[in-house]
This record gives sequence, structure tokens and C-alpha cells, in this order.
Amino acid sequence: AVQLTQSPASLSASVGDRVTITCRASQGISNSLAWYQQTPGKAPKLLIYDASTLQRGVPSRFSVSRSGTDFTLTINSLQPEDFATFYCHQYNNFPVTFGQGTRLVIK
Amino acid sequence: QVRLVESGGGVVQPGRSLRLSCAASGFTFSNYGMHWVRQAPGKGLEWVAVIRNDGSKAYYGDSVTGRFTISRDNSKNTVSLQMNSPRAEDTAVYYCAKDVRQEAAALEQWGQGTLVTVSS
Repeated sequence: AVQLTQSPASLSASVGDRVTITCRASQGISNSLAWYQQTPGKAPKLLIYDASTLQRGVPSRFSVSRSGTDFTLTINSLQPEDFATFYCHQYNNFPVTFGQGTRLVIK
Repeated sequence: QVRLVESGGGVVQPGRSLRLSCAASGFTFSNYGMHWVRQAPGKGLEWVAVIRNDGSKAYYGDSVTGRFTISRDNSKNTVSLQMNSPRAEDTAVYYCAKDVRQEAAALEQWGQGTLVTVSS
């Protein structure tokens, strides 16, 4: 199975900061990568799919980049509602897999 | 708008069976793949299964292969997960989710989840 390794596992930041989260795939997955945001007690919310397509309604402060099998999610100018856990997800190969998550907390 | 409502969760004894259902509305159900994803208490997301839009193919995660079966009824806009021989490690919130495409891609909409507890 394709392993997705997210870094860092946890991150503290302040409102207005810029943060980056990286997801490294254990093998090539083309552009078959999505990012989700989950707040406690709620279902995940799709942010980005096909590596770079912003889901409808997702603010433009969320952006992505890619270098080989490394995919990076950047959040510019953090807002209070952005503090959550973020997951990457590959769907290029079965079984579909998720990264272990990155928890973004307020400093 | 898209709505996914899971049901059927609860407490089940190890080795017994449980069937989860998800009722979908607000979109053309037969056009999209449907998934089950679970989340153990305090843990991350684990993909369970997907079924193609027309029900012709299904794929499973390694930990549930041979025990769980995903199915769908496009006439009733429902997707189900039959859980046979559940184990303690299957305890989790189970989400159904709508794919952006016909088979397996990103998960565009999620239900609120239903909690399954496997315990004697």
C-alpha cells in the first residue's frame, strides 16, 4: 500500500501566520491527492483534490505545491477557523490511504 | 444540497454482524462512487471501502477485506456496509462519503458519522 507521511505531526501558530504541511508519498501517485480539514467532533471537509484543484467555497489562502512525491499545503494568513487537523489522501492506488494527520493549534 | 445520513451504528459483540446504511439526497446518486471511511476514537482517518457508481466494482481496505461488504441500491439512493465478524479494533465512527467521480477519487461530501462499538 502507498504510505503517506505527513510532517509535522503537530504545529502551533498564531492568527495571521503562514504555515506549511507536507505529505510525502512512498511511491508515485500522479496527481491523485486530496487534502481535508477536520475540526473536533465534525466530519472532514474536502479542501483540495487532484493535487491542486481548490474545492468550491474554500478560501484562496489555501494553496498547494508539489515536488515529485512531496505535496505541500500552505495556509496564508491563518484565521481562527483554520485551526484543525489536516489529512492528505491518495487515490491513485488501492487500497486508498490517508496520512496520519497534522494537528494545527493556536499558539 | 447534498445530504448523507448514516444509521445502524451501536454496540455489537465480537464475531456477530452489523449493517450500516447511508441515505443520500441532493444529487444524482447513480453518477458517483460512494465510500465508507472510519475513525477510531482519538485516531486518524482509515479508508474502509468504495463502490463504483453502477455497483459493478468494489474495493476494500486491507483490514476489512473478507469481512466487510459494501453494496448500493441506486433505486433507493442508499449505500450499505455489512460488517461480519467484527473485532474490537473495528470500533470507530463510520462515515459514508460521496466521491467527486464515478469510482475512487476525492471525497467531496461526508455524512455526520455513526459510532460502532465492538464489545462483549
